[in-house]
Amino acid sequence: QVQLVESGGGLVKPGGSLRLSCAASGFTFSDYYMSWIRQAPGKGLEWVSYISGSSDYTAYADSVRGRFTVSRDDAKNSLYLQMNSLRAEDTAVYYCARSGSSGSYSDYWGQGTLVTVSS
Amino acid sequence: DIQMTQSPSSLSASVGDRVTMTCRASRTFNSNLNWFQQKPGKAPELLIYAASSLQSGVPSRFSGSGSGTDFTLTISSLQPEDFATYYCQQSYRTPHTFGQGTKLEIK
Repeated sequence: QVQLVESGGGLVKPGGSLRLSCAASGFTFSDYYMSWIRQAPGKGLEWVSYISGSSDYTAYADSVRGRFTVSRDDAKNSLYLQMNSLRAEDTAVYYCARSGSSGSYSDYWGQGTLVTVSS
Repeated sequence: DIQMTQSPSSLSASVGDRVTMTCRASRTFNSNLNWFQQKPGKAPELLIYAASSLQSGVPSRFSGSGSGTDFTLTISSLQPEDFATYYCQQSYRTPHTFGQGTKLEIK
């Protein structure tokens, strides 16, 4: 069965960096776009970024472009989100999600990892 | 960016009711519209993709429709497990923006 497990969240000071990981299993990882979506405490969902199966294509929300970098290692069935220059408004639960062969919809999600940016 | 606006923001209904909620886009696009259900403390779950396609394993009481700028999620007969927050998302253009959500509560 499809499983996505995020890790790497935690408390970080403003301006700091953090790298999130998502370990995937139960499907052919390289065939799928993968996405990061976040949810600030008590707020709605915000699409953050995605990456194509071949890593050819990436896209970012305006709010994170230039600070966050999405990557993947298909040999390790893993997705990553490198987050730099973190701000208080980046505080959220970060979900990874499998997003189809064309990135059109996210059918499986991980349980999320909490990132807290605070001094 | 394409802005997605959901209405209503909250909705009270009873078990057995038929419920409809809407999602309006700031510009027209094709059928790349998804609906998700989220319960407190849980990850969202995909209900509907491509505006009207039912995700595998989702009960048939859920249905989606619409095109252009206006999309609808309908629950034909509410069950106790359906009380949750529902989000629409466009996947026509990045960033794949979400609506602000509709919270469905028990009357």
